[in-house]
Amino acid sequence: AQSVTQLDSHVSVSEGTPVLLRCNYSSSYSPSLFWYVQHPNKGLQLLLKYTSAATLVKGINGFEAEFKKSETSFHLTKPSAHMSDAAEYFCVVRPAGTYKYIFGTGTRLKVLA
Amino acid sequence: KAGVTQTPRYLIKTRGQQVTLSCSPISGHRSVSWYQQTPGQGLQFLFEYFSETQRNKGNFPGRFSGRQFSNSRSEMNVSTLELGDSALYLCASSLDVGGEETQYFGPGTRLLVL
Repeated sequence: AQSVTQLDSHVSVSEGTPVLLRCNYSSSYSPSLFWYVQHPNKGLQLLLKYTSAATLVKGINGFEAEFKKSETSFHLTKPSAHMSDAAEYFCVVRPAGTYKYIFGTGTRLKVLA
Repeated sequence: KAGVTQTPRYLIKTRGQQVTLSCSPISGHRSVSWYQQTPGQGLQFLFEYFSETQRNKGNFPGRFSGRQFSNSRSEMNVSTLELGDSALYLCASSLDVGGEETQYFGPGTRLLVL
């Protein structure tokens, strides 16, 4: 079965320190993978996507993610957190050959001053 | 290009009523998906339309229905509203042609059922 697991429901970091949001997926074939961010009372905004090109994907606002097939992971990182990064982040997988998008349960990122 | 738009943004209804939500995709996008987001259940997929045909469906009761028009605009309808239908309803569109599959989301319609 295809699934997405976001390993942490909440992550707290201090402003200026690195961010790591973890995501593992299960998919039979090479999937497309996405990270979205949702600020309070807003829709979802695309941060970045992986579609079988380079394994290190750079997104907006300094975020990047690395696709590791051997670990079935697609963790999201940022070198230095900013207060405006406080939001909920969703990891999404679209298995190859399907029209379905499978969402993780989300990770709420808190940034401390 | 204008983004995905959803109307209305906020809605208050009472139990037993029905509601229709509208979504206008990004120009040229042919796929429109609908999601329900609640604090308890997170993001749940409702259905997806492509070229006026429902291509995928989630696990929601028949009270939830949708359609897509020839200009790719989509509507979803919920009949006989229940308190548990209170949620943020998100619409997303994608080109879904030539491998371009990224979904772009609208701001959502927040529905409150009293």
